[in-house]
Amino acid sequence: EIVLTQSPGTLSLSPGERATLSCRASQSVSSSYLAWYQQKPGQAPRLLIYGASSRATGIPDRFSGSGSGTDFTLTISRLEPEDFAVYYCQQYGSSSPSYTFGQGTKLEIK
Amino acid sequence: EVQLVQSGAEVKKPGESLKISCKGSGYSFTSYWIGWVRQMPGKGLEWMGIIYPGDSDTRYSPSFQGQVTISADKSISTAYLQWSSLKASDTAMYYCARRDSSGYYSFNYWGQGTLVTVSS
Repeated sequence: EIVLTQSPGTLSLSPGERATLSCRASQSVSSSYLAWYQQKPGQAPRLLIYGASSRATGIPDRFSGSGSGTDFTLTISRLEPEDFAVYYCQQYGSSSPSYTFGQGTKLEIK
Repeated sequence: EVQLVQSGAEVKKPGESLKISCKGSGYSFTSYWIGWVRQMPGKGLEWMGIIYPGDSDTRYSPSFQGQVTISADKSISTAYLQWSSLKASDTAMYYCARRDSSGYYSFNYWGQGTLVTVSS
């Protein structure tokens, strides 16, 4: 089973700053099968990025995804107040098959 | 508009059974996999299992195999998650989510969640 480890656990930044969130897999993951979600308190998760780098419908272009193999990154170029939330990466493993989430990164206002 | 509408919050006692639902609308219900995700209080997301309503093909996470049952009734566009004997540790928010069909295996539509509280 592939394990996803996200870092940092908590990231404290100010609006307007750049955020870089990491997701590391215990084994190589197909880029097609790596996604990122945003979850705000009291809300369901929302898909941000699929296929490691494609933005989901309606997602602002300040959100971008990159990476391959075992290392993936979610970047928010200029933080808006509404971006402070918890972010999860997720992968699909065809050998199991299974879906795995990282433990999450909390992005908080500094 | 694609929507997944889940059943309301439940409060149950340990040992009781429960079945929660997720009704899809605005798309062909039989053509998309529906997954279930658990979120325990203050914790992260855990994939539980997934079903293809078209033929009821179902896959479970090893962590949840034998603990829950996932089913679907395509005649009413509804997926279900059920327990035969609840435990206090089943207290959590449960989300259903529709998997995309384009080969990326992400969940692009989510229900609003069903809060299950198990307490004596």
